[in-house]
Amino acid sequence: TQLLEQSPQFLSIQEGENLTVYCNSSSVFSSLQWYRQEPGEGPVLLVTVVTGGEVKKLKRLTFQFGDARKDSSLHITAAQPGDTGLYLCAGIQGAQKLVFGQGTRLTINP
Amino acid sequence: DTGVSQDPRHKITKRGQNVTFRCDPISEHNRLYWYRQTLGQGPEFLTYFQNEAQLEKSRLLSDRFSAERPKGSFSTLEIQRTEQGDSAMYLCASSSRGAGELFFGEGSRLTVL
Repeated sequence: TQLLEQSPQFLSIQEGENLTVYCNSSSVFSSLQWYRQEPGEGPVLLVTVVTGGEVKKLKRLTFQFGDARKDSSLHITAAQPGDTGLYLCAGIQGAQKLVFGQGTRLTINP
Repeated sequence: DTGVSQDPRHKITKRGQNVTFRCDPISEHNRLYWYRQTLGQGPEFLTYFQNEAQLEKSRLLSDRFSAERPKGSFSTLEIQRTEQGDSAMYLCASSSRGAGELFFGEGSRLTVL
């Protein structure tokens, strides 16, 4: 059983479209992180959300943490081919351990 | 480049052989993590160290797996008697403040034939 469920698992859209991917859990997290991973590389941190209801923006990417701190979303506006990658959400379990969702593999077609 | 480095990047081995991966974390980071990632999945936690102490091990880490960080700097992950199911990307990450932000290496990809 996955502690963090991400949806959709795969998403392929055209350049210029908007999209939202989701990260859901039945557990409460003190914070959630979003990472992006490209083929052959390790994940790279995009953002950390800490407060329930928090919204953070990173250029065309908008991250939201659910009010109950059990879920999060990532919205991309006007997607570009450079946004292609595996998007991973991760939550801190216990004091020290980061657990990941299974990821959303995003492909932006020119 | 002072990021996390892993060696080797790729390893192909026959079933039953032993393999060892090395991770050099960012120098001032006292926490070091090992994750395993299979195709199409997110990273799965294996173990982590604070300085030289191994503080947690996942149930995924069977008795064929052993990790060390002898001087609180680099770490090694050894897999004995490899099985085909061990084929995966082994990722190392380091952090200076708990699991606040993990900096990952590029991974060591293992293929067991």
